[in-house]
Amino acid sequence: EVQLVESGGGLVQPGGSLRLSCAVSGFTFSNYWMSWVRQAPGKGLECVANIKYDGSEKYYVDSVKGRFTVSRDNAKNSLYLQLNNLRVEDTSTYYCTRGGLGYLYLDNWGQGTLVTVSS
Amino acid sequence: DFVLTQSPDSLAVSLGERATINCKSSQSVFYSPNGRNYLAWYQQKAGQPPKLLIYWASTRESGVPDRFSGSGSGTDFTLTISSLQAEDVAVYFCQQYHGTPPTFGQGTRVEI
Repeated sequence: EVQLVESGGGLVQPGGSLRLSCAVSGFTFSNYWMSWVRQAPGKGLECVANIKYDGSEKYYVDSVKGRFTVSRDNAKNSLYLQLNNLRVEDTSTYYCTRGGLGYLYLDNWGQGTLVTVSS
Repeated sequence: DFVLTQSPDSLAVSLGERATINCKSSQSVFYSPNGRNYLAWYQQKAGQPPKLLIYWASTRESGVPDRFSGSGSGTDFTLTISSLQAEDVAVYFCQQYHGTPPTFGQGTRVEI
């Protein structure tokens, strides 16, 4: 069974930092693109970062470029998202997601971790 | 950038009736070399993460009931629920994965 379990969310002040983690199991992690998708309370979905199966390609939505960094450790079956210089508008539930084989339709989602940016 | 616009924003459908949701992309999501449309549909029920329903515009994900179907090509796509069930109450999102990062439509709320 595919499992994606996020952790690391919480309350942080504007300008602060957090590191989100996603532990995966039930599939060969190193074969898949992975993505972080966020959802502000009561709002739609935004894909903030993608990373290729070997980490050689990374893509970010414009609103987080230069502030967020996606990474992965295939030996530990783990995906990460470093969030720096956080803004109030980054408040969202962050989902760890798996891309379909070689593509970026998102066939498995974690339960999400809530990041709240507030003073 | 690929901007996806869904219509309507919400709709109310009687049990057993058809629900139709449209998704229009600002650019074609069709890729000629493999003949595929890079368009997916998701269902999100209250308090849950989204769930993949359809990919390649019309391929149903394993386990998804056959009352859900996707159609369209290029820039215009449709998700159809042929006979609405109570458990289909949710918000539905389209997503393109032709460009990176992928982008989503704003969502359509389906109610009874």
